[in-house]
Amino acid sequence: DIQMTQSPSSLSASVGDSVTFTCRASERIRNYVNWYQQKPGKAPKLLIYAASTLHSGAPSRFSGSGSGTDFSLSISSLQPEDFASYYCLQTYNTPHTFGQGTKLEIQ
Amino acid sequence: EVQVLDSGGDLVQPGRSLRLSCTISGATFGDYSWSWVRQAPGKGLEWVGLIRSKTYGETIEYAASVKGRFTISRDDSKSIAYLQMTSLKAEDTATYYCTRQSVRGYDYDVWGQGTLVTVSS
Repeated sequence: DIQMTQSPSSLSASVGDSVTFTCRASERIRNYVNWYQQKPGKAPKLLIYAASTLHSGAPSRFSGSGSGTDFSLSISSLQPEDFASYYCLQTYNTPHTFGQGTKLEIQ
Repeated sequence: EVQVLDSGGDLVQPGRSLRLSCTISGATFGDYSWSWVRQAPGKGLEWVGLIRSKTYGETIEYAASVKGRFTISRDDSKSIAYLQMTSLKAEDTATYYCTRQSVRGYDYDVWGQGTLVTVSS
């Protein structure tokens, strides 16, 4: 199974800051990585697919990059509604696997 | 607009069975592959399994943690996907989400609201 190691597990930041989360795959997975935002009690929302393509409706301050084994999600100019948990997901092989998640908190 | 409604969650005793349903409206259900993802209270997301569309042979894959106990099926005529869970354990306690694999093949783009399964005596 492909392991997705996501870091950090938590991050404190302020409105207006820029942040970056990373996911490392245990083997090469081309660009089969997606990023999701989840708020408490809600279903995950797709932000980025195919490593770097912004999903329709996701704000342009979100961006993704990477290929192979190393991937990142960046948020520029944090807004109050961005404080949530974020997960990467690989869909290169089954079982599809999520990273452990990053909880983004207000500093 | 596509809508996904997850239902069937309940409080059940260990060892019992439960069936979850995922009802879709606003999309051609049969064209897509559908997956189940769960989230234990306070924990991260865990992929449970998927059922591919008829185009891809309606093949089914499971996570090791549920293989042999859970069964995914679909009824394209009713636009419903199912998750039959047997021999339930306390560690199966979670919110279960149904989600659609997009036609791009990379991602899950539409999600249900989730349904809570609690396994406890």
